[in-house]
Amino acid sequence: NAGVTQTPKFQVLKTGQSMTLQCAQDMNHEYMSWYRQDPGMGLRLIHYSVGAGITDQGEVPNGYNVSRSTTEDFPLRLLSAAPSQTSVYFCASSYSKGGTYEQYFGPGTRLTVT
Amino acid sequence: GDSVTQMEGPVTLSEEAFLTINCTYTATGYPSLFWYVQYPGEGLQLLLKATKADDKGSNKGFEATYRKETTSFHLEKGSVQVSDSAVYFCALSDETSYDKVIFGPGTSLSVIP
Repeated sequence: NAGVTQTPKFQVLKTGQSMTLQCAQDMNHEYMSWYRQDPGMGLRLIHYSVGAGITDQGEVPNGYNVSRSTTEDFPLRLLSAAPSQTSVYFCASSYSKGGTYEQYFGPGTRLTVT
Repeated sequence: GDSVTQMEGPVTLSEEAFLTINCTYTATGYPSLFWYVQYPGEGLQLLLKATKADDKGSNKGFEATYRKETTSFHLEKGSVQVSDSAVYFCALSDETSYDKVIFGPGTSLSVIP
């Protein structure tokens, strides 16, 4: 199993550009999430999905869109990049075992917006 | 709302020293508790977990006990190695909803030979 994969690993955008961060998992997990990691702030939830066709907003959703057309894929779209979106982005997948959600993380995408 | 508080870092220890990283939480229900580790340039990976009060999670020499009375889940290791240098995140998951997974800010650990 590849687990959770993310592409690209690094990306530099200019303000106003759009792009899609890709995320895929091969563990048949029903739950998937996008987080951003900023120094001193831990991980903050951007969007999440509890199954194909179902998405919802997390703590910091503004400026991002998601879709979940298949169980495996959960892309994150930046609509019009801003310097405040410079961060490291992690995708995670999870399943529920007795109400416990254990997260499996991808390697991350380091995004810089100039 | 639910929250996780961790001791501020960075923490620097000599090899073979004893490690404690404090973690306390606030939750209205009965959360599961986790420690995740992030090695340089990588994503987070689960280190250990505990799903109910008095459970002890352990892995790779690390241990943490779910203490409901003190709402704590402190991470300990008896003898750290240089390879343990990483950022450690305490987290909780609320059994009521997937989106209620809360991470602490992380504690950076450096182990020097």
